[in-house]
Amino acid sequence: KQEVTQIPAALSVPEGENLVLNCSFTDSAIYNLQWFRQDPGKGLTSLLLIQSSQREQTSGRLNASLDKSSGRSTLYIAASQPGDSATYLCAAYYNQGGKLIFGQGTELSVKP
Amino acid sequence: GAVVSQHPSWVICKSGTSVKIECRSLDFQATTMFWYRQFPKQSLMLMATSNEGSKATYEQGVEKDKFLINHASLTLSTLTVTSAHPEDSSFYICSASRDPYEQYFGPGTRLTVT
Repeated sequence: KQEVTQIPAALSVPEGENLVLNCSFTDSAIYNLQWFRQDPGKGLTSLLLIQSSQREQTSGRLNASLDKSSGRSTLYIAASQPGDSATYLCAAYYNQGGKLIFGQGTELSVKP
Repeated sequence: GAVVSQHPSWVICKSGTSVKIECRSLDFQATTMFWYRQFPKQSLMLMATSNEGSKATYEQGVEKDKFLINHASLTLSTLTVTSAHPEDSSFYICSASRDPYEQYFGPGTRLTVT
C-alpha cells in the first residue's frame, strides 16, 4: 500500500532554532516528492519539489532532501521565525496510480 | 504562472440544500482537476479526479450522487454538494494539472451546513 507518514504531528520550538521535519514513504517507486505549507483555513503553498533523480532542493532557509533507498525525506528549516508557524505537509507522487499521496502533516509552532 | 482559484471561499447553507463550488485554472489549461476534502487537523483526502469532457473518477467511499463533479472546460470544474447535511461541513480544496505528476492547488472553500 502506498502511504506517506509524518512524525511528529506537532512540534514547538523557540525562535531561532534550526529544525527538521520528517516524512517517510512506503514505496521507493516515487516520481517526485513535494513539501507544502498550509496556514490555518488556507490552501496549500508549494515549498519545494524534489524529483526522484534528485537528492535535495533548496529555497532560502529551506532545504529538502530525498533518500529513496530508505524511504525518507526531510525538510530542514534554518533560523526559524514565528512566521514559519504553520502545518507542513509532504506528498509523494508514485509512479503507479497517478495520485498525490499526502502525509498527515506536522503542525509547527515557533515561539518568539 | 499556474494559478488556481476557487469560488466561493466560504459558504454557509441550510441542511437539505445544494451548494456549488467552482475551481478555475486562471492562466493555463488543465487537462485534469482533482477535488480534495480536509477535516480539521487532518490531511487532504482525494475525493475524485476529473478530466475535461468525461465523467469523474471517484475514490472508494465517496458518494458520486452526493458530490457531483462537472469538468465542462479546460479551465473550469465544479463540485456540487447535493442535499447537504452537517456532516458534509468541511474544507474543500481543488487542484489542477497540466502535466502528469504535478498539481497546482486552489485556496480552498470552507463549507458549513447548518
